[in-house]
Amino acid sequence: DAKTTQPPSMDCAEGRAANLPCNHSTISGNEYVYWYRQIHSQGPQYIIHGLKNNETNEMASLIITEDRKSSTLILPHATLRDTAVYYCIVRDVVRETSGSRLTFGEGTQLTVNP
Amino acid sequence: SQTIHQWPATLVQPVGSPLSLECTVEGTSNPNLYWYRQAAGRGLQLLFYSVGIGQISSEVPQNLSASRPQDRQFILSSKKLLLSDSGFYLCAWSDRTDTQYFGPGTRLTVL
Repeated sequence: DAKTTQPPSMDCAEGRAANLPCNHSTISGNEYVYWYRQIHSQGPQYIIHGLKNNETNEMASLIITEDRKSSTLILPHATLRDTAVYYCIVRDVVRETSGSRLTFGEGTQLTVNP
Repeated sequence: SQTIHQWPATLVQPVGSPLSLECTVEGTSNPNLYWYRQAAGRGLQLLFYSVGIGQISSEVPQNLSASRPQDRQFILSSKKLLLSDSGFYLCAWSDRTDTQYFGPGTRLTVL
């Protein structure tokens, strides 16, 4: 799986949009971009994933550049409960007969301030 | 909807004692199941995964073993715990889209 690079920490004011960048310059054509977050002392929580097109769900939006070498996770109106470590993961399409690992890097510690 | 349970939530065990952590999934059938470990301040390490009953793949050599006696039950075990086994143990499941969903975790302290 391609390696990702994220800033170690970011701050955001409550109610503002949080934009978390991720670089994945070695991504290949069949690799997806996944985002998870982990609130302190809890299990990671799936947020969103995409291949080429931008994606949006009830939690966030994922913007993938046209060359797919980077992406941005957008939390449109950050709240204090969004304070967590956010992980950007790039992984290949998985065959059903084999399990696949999620390789979590260091992630970005997002702190939402009141 | 699907839910994943892990117990116990926390555990303190002496070195050399046995271990059994349990994970169960509800609301889905034939999931892929995973055990990860997260050491303090570090990323997740995949320990085992299973694509079906009795099918276990080990990712790293270690003091631990895993079993899947039922479709939606995944057990992590050890005969003799080491200090280095301390950590946050996470179970996850995935469906055919291969998106993995994690349980609440078990925090194990070996003294």
